[in-house]
Amino acid sequence: GEDVEQSLFLSVREGDSSVINCTYTDSSSTYLYWYKQEPGAGLQLLTYIFSNMDMKQDQRLTVLLNKKDKHLSLRIADTQTGDSAIYFCVPFSGGYNKLIFGAGTRLAVHP
Amino acid sequence: DTEVTQTPKHLVMGMTNKKSLKCEQHMGHRAMYWYKQKAKKPPELMFVYSYEKLSINESVPSRFSPECPNSSLLNLHLHALQPEDSALYLCASVGQGATEAFFGQGTRLTVV
Repeated sequence: GEDVEQSLFLSVREGDSSVINCTYTDSSSTYLYWYKQEPGAGLQLLTYIFSNMDMKQDQRLTVLLNKKDKHLSLRIADTQTGDSAIYFCVPFSGGYNKLIFGAGTRLAVHP
Repeated sequence: DTEVTQTPKHLVMGMTNKKSLKCEQHMGHRAMYWYKQKAKKPPELMFVYSYEKLSINESVPSRFSPECPNSSLLNLHLHALQPEDSALYLCASVGQGATEAFFGQGTRLTVV
């Protein structure tokens, strides 16, 4: 079946870069999304990458995709306290029409 | 309009009540989803509708009954729920080609 693995916790200092990593198993994933979830809130779509791309930059966010290894990363430049949240890497399985969630990575930003 | 709107935001219901959750989008998306999220856990898929037809039911108990009356609207009918069904219920929609995949803010359900 489909599986997504992320490290559970990341702590960074304000102003540093954060890198959140993700591996997935479904090779039919066409789009891979990154969502942010703050406490008690819904899921905010941050960015996505199409499976035939290897990099996408969107302001402070950079997504890298290694399709061969099924590895995805999200880099947040100049991390701020407002970036503290849970981040989900979510492959879209076109074959199954599913958005597949891993456990999420809790990002804590400290002064 | 890039929004998925869910109502109500909060709902408290007794175990014998019948209630419905509503989800609406006006982006022309033809795939719509219900997810359930317990505290400190990732969302779990419940149902997928594609072109207004139920395409995936992840073995959800029959006390949850989805309905897609038209391409913009998705309902989740609730009946005889248990306290362990208390959770955040999230609706999502995905556009053609999957370049857009948006979630609503969720309905926080408490079953007493």
